[in-house]
Amino acid sequence: DIQVTQSPSSLSASVGDRVTITCRASQRISNYLNWYQQKPGKAPKLLIYAASSLQSGVPSRFSGSGSGTDFTLTISSLQPEDFATYYCQQTYSTPLTFGGGTKVEIK
Amino acid sequence: QVQLQESGSGLVKPSETLSLTCTVSGGSFSSWYWSWIRQSPGKGLEWIAYIYNSGSTNYNPSLKSRATISMDTSKNQFSLQLSSVTAADTAVYYCARVMLHGGPLYYFDYWGQGTLVTVSS
Repeated sequence: DIQVTQSPSSLSASVGDRVTITCRASQRISNYLNWYQQKPGKAPKLLIYAASSLQSGVPSRFSGSGSGTDFTLTISSLQPEDFATYYCQQTYSTPLTFGGGTKVEIK
Repeated sequence: QVQLQESGSGLVKPSETLSLTCTVSGGSFSSWYWSWIRQSPGKGLEWIAYIYNSGSTNYNPSLKSRATISMDTSKNQFSLQLSSVTAADTAVYYCARVMLHGGPLYYFDYWGQGTLVTVSS
């Protein structure tokens, strides 16, 4: 199985901050990496697919980059509604696997 | 707008079979792949399986053949059965649509709200 490791597991930030979350795959997965946002009691919501493609309707302050084994999700200017947990997911091979999540909290 | 709604037993006894159904509305059902994902309390996400109209299925080996996914195109529904459950199967179970772009490029673009299944005697 391909393991995906996120870091950090949690972070504290203020509104307006630039936030970066990293996802590392245990083997090369090209750009087959998606990012989701999950708020408490809600289903995950797709933000980024194929490492860097912004899902329709998602604000442009979210961006993704990377290829191979190292990937990044960036929030350029953190907004109050962005406090949530973020997950990466690889689809290079089954079983599909998710990272352990990064919880973004208010500083 | 595509909508998915999970339904099924919220409380299952150990060693019994968990049964869930996802009803899809607002879009074409038979043209897509459909999937189940679960999330244990306070834990991360685990992919369970997906299915396509042709009957093509793919399962997470971690479930050791306990899972069965099926679909009923006449009702716009797909289902999950998980046998021989234990407390470790207690989780929120989500159904989701799989958007494919070809090869390994795919993602879950629509999700149900999730349903909590508790395994307890």
